[in-house]
Amino acid sequence: DGGITQSPKYLFRKEGQNVTLSCEQNLNHDAMYWYRQDPGQGLRLIYYSQIVNDFQKGDIAEGYSVSREKKESFPLTVTSAQKNPTAFYLCASSIDRDNQPQHFGDGTRLSIL
Amino acid sequence: GQNIDQPTEMTATEGAIVQINCTYQTSGFNGLFWYQQHAGEAPTFLSYNVLDGLEEKGRFSSFLSRSKGYSYLLLKELQMKDSASYLCHLMDSNYQLIWGAGTKLIIKP
Repeated sequence: DGGITQSPKYLFRKEGQNVTLSCEQNLNHDAMYWYRQDPGQGLRLIYYSQIVNDFQKGDIAEGYSVSREKKESFPLTVTSAQKNPTAFYLCASSIDRDNQPQHFGDGTRLSIL
Repeated sequence: GQNIDQPTEMTATEGAIVQINCTYQTSGFNGLFWYQQHAGEAPTFLSYNVLDGLEEKGRFSSFLSRSKGYSYLLLKELQMKDSASYLCHLMDSNYQLIWGAGTKLIIKP
């Protein structure tokens, strides 16, 4: 079955540490997205990628970085510059950016130690 | 600025009908989506409207009026499993993604 896989499900970060969240899809989708969701809030876009080797900042990109070296993979690094990283992180993909529904992974819950 | 407004929380009774409204102010419009999100889980796609009118999908229907900047999601024959948050999401004319904060729907027996 095709789908989108995020790992790990839970992640803990120490002060001053960078952590990387994995996102892999086998849906052959061109577009991929990273969102942050805080308790009781909607989704906020961190980064998105329309095609391999290209990505764009979303609304809250500061303190985060991404890469898109392969169509299937869109990892997100939460850097030490992100001072409030505790949140639920969701990765999504869509066929392209043109009016297509997004398919979401199960999310990664990041906490600070 | 661009924004989407939804009620924060709604309560309804099992077996009844509920309408969740979404109003928006954006620079242009390229389609509106509704997603369902159970607590602690990922959102799942429910419906898509790009033209005015009603789209029906089983117990769920979604309506759009572009001139009024307004959409609603209608849920019929409510079941306990419909307890979730419902997210309104749209794409503006520049393909920017805008999400509402979501409406938490509580179903009571």
